[in-house]
Amino acid sequence: AQTVTQSQPEMSVQEAETVTLSCTYDTSESDYYLFWYKQPPSRQMILVIRQEAYKQQNATENRFSVNFQKAAKSFSLKISDSQLGDAAMYFCAYRSFDNYGQNFVFGPGTRLSVLP
Amino acid sequence: EAQVTQNPRYLITVTGKKLTVTCSQNMNHEYMSWYRQDPGLGLRQIYYSMNVEVTDKGDVPEGYKVSRKEKRNFPLILESPSPNQTSLYFCASSFTGASTDTQYFGPGTRLTVL
Repeated sequence: AQTVTQSQPEMSVQEAETVTLSCTYDTSESDYYLFWYKQPPSRQMILVIRQEAYKQQNATENRFSVNFQKAAKSFSLKISDSQLGDAAMYFCAYRSFDNYGQNFVFGPGTRLSVLP
Repeated sequence: EAQVTQNPRYLITVTGKKLTVTCSQNMNHEYMSWYRQDPGLGLRQIYYSMNVEVTDKGDVPEGYKVSRKEKRNFPLILESPSPNQTSLYFCASSFTGASTDTQYFGPGTRLTVL
């Protein structure tokens, strides 16, 4: 079974600075998807970024980018120019490529605070 | 507006009193799913449904039931709630159950079982 680990329960960053959230996972599969979800105080789950394991290029969405290291099974999220609205719980998640219907495996989350 | 709705958003109940949390989506999605979120554990899947009348267990199905009589609705039923079911519950949907599909999450339901 796959597992997802986020070793930083809490992190903080100064506004306008850059922060990196760590995620590692364990799998024996070669094809899969990785995700970062943001959960603000409203509790809504918001997809931040998605990475296909078969793609070498790291995904980027505006100020959010990932560092995907397949061999190391590492999938970190970098937030550049941090804004107050980035304060939230961030979840890393794994999904099998051909596990039709089955869900994500989520990490325990990292709570990010943004300091003004 | 495309959305997944859940009701109620907050619920406090007592052990053994049957309850239903409703989930509805207006995007004509085939796939729907229920998760529970607990501190330090992330989200874990309870049940999912690939289409009408097709449901299957996720990772933590004990103590829950679901039904899918209509495409848009996927209620979560707790026949005899217990305190260990106190949690934050999310419903999600996507066009299909394929891994490539983006899941849309509802706003969450905070359940407390006393």
